[in-house]
Amino acid sequence: AQSVTQLGSHVSVSEGALVLLRCNYSSSVPPYLFWYVQYPNQGLQLLLKYTSAATLVKGINGFEAEFKKSETSFHLTKPSAHMSDAAEYFCAVSGPTGGGNKLTFGTGTQLKVEL
Amino acid sequence: NAGVTQTPKFRVLKTGQSMTLLCAQDMNHEYMYWYRQDPGMGLRLIHYSVGEGTTAKGEVPDGYNVSRLKKQNFLLGLESAAPSQTSVYFCASRTPGDPGVNEQFFGPGTRLTVL
Repeated sequence: AQSVTQLGSHVSVSEGALVLLRCNYSSSVPPYLFWYVQYPNQGLQLLLKYTSAATLVKGINGFEAEFKKSETSFHLTKPSAHMSDAAEYFCAVSGPTGGGNKLTFGTGTQLKVEL
Repeated sequence: NAGVTQTPKFRVLKTGQSMTLLCAQDMNHEYMYWYRQDPGMGLRLIHYSVGEGTTAKGEVPDGYNVSRLKKQNFLLGLESAAPSQTSVYFCASRTPGDPGVNEQFFGPGTRLTVL
């Protein structure tokens, strides 16, 4: 079974500062890993995904994440936070093809960006 | 192309009442999913379907039933609503196959309150 753990339910940064949102995974097989963003009162939008093609994955809105097998981590970063980045971020893991390709989500991290 | 739509957007029920949430997608996706989102718990899978006429239980199926009579629609039913079912419900859909290629697309959500 796969699972993900997000450390820190709330993260606050200043505008222009580095954003670091943490995600650690547990999987008995090579995982597919995802970061989703949820803006207030909206559905989830895919930010980026890891598919084993490259360990450093670039996504939308300047976000990127690095897959580190030795640390079982897939942390999300952005060099310079913008006010529009304020949202809730979810890390998720999927098993291999088959079985409905179900996603297992972390508990989420609420990002606050302050002036 | 509307993507994934959910009806209704908001609903208030009294304990013991029943209701059906409708999810519709126009992307010809085989797989469809129902999640619930609760504060501090992320998204949890209720039921899913891998094709017309098929359904399967997810992580938290108790108190819910689903039906997939048409490929484009996935219905979530609450036969006797309980306050513990107060939540935001999200529907998603995707094409089968490599999770790294075919992403899940999410609807905007239904906010349900059970008094």
